Amino acid sequence: AQSVTQLDSQVPVFEEAPVELRCNYSSSVSVYLFWYVQYPNQGLQLLLKYLSGSTLVKGINGFEAEFNKSQTSFHLRKPSVHISDTAEYFCAVSVFSGNTPLVFGKGTRLSVIA
Amino acid sequence: DGGITQSPKYLFRKEGQNVTLSCEQNLNHDAMYWYRQDPGQGLRLIYYSQIVNDFQKGDIAEGYSVSREKKESFPLTVTSAQKNPTAFYLCASSTTGRGEQYFGPGTRLTVT
Repeated sequence: AQSVTQLDSQVPVFEEAPVELRCNYSSSVSVYLFWYVQYPNQGLQLLLKYLSGSTLVKGINGFEAEFNKSQTSFHLRKPSVHISDTAEYFCAVSVFSGNTPLVFGKGTRLSVIA
Repeated sequence: DGGITQSPKYLFRKEGQNVTLSCEQNLNHDAMYWYRQDPGQGLRLIYYSQIVNDFQKGDIAEGYSVSREKKESFPLTVTSAQKNPTAFYLCASSTTGRGEQYFGPGTRLTVT
């Protein structure tokens, strides 16, 4: 079975500073990987996804993530954050075959400080 | 516009009452899901359905029931057997059972 670990439950960062939100996964088979963002009292919105090909994936709002198969990681990065990036971020994993739903991490709350 | 709708946004019920949360999608997706979200616990899967008239229990199905009579609709009933029903409930859908999911805006249920 797959599992996802988001290593930080909360990440405070100053406005215009870079940020990295860490995600590690465990799976015995090949996977698809996703990052979602959730603003307060809203549903989740897909930020980016890795299905195959280039290991560096670019998403919306200036975010990017790098798939590292050897380290089973999929960390999310942004070179310069804005106040509007304050939200909860979820990493999720799915397997290539079968019909198993996404497995989500517990989330990382990003707080951008002015 | 294609998307997922959940209604109502806020729902209040007395303890001991069953309550049904609505989820409708017009994305022509085969699979639909219900999650419960509590502070600090991420998303926990309640039920999912990959095809009409079929559904599977997720990690926390006790005290909940679902139906999938139409492709577009996947209502969730929170029964009086659910010990702590107050939470934020999210519905999602995907083209296949393992693909990326698209989420509705959520329903916040408060039971007193």
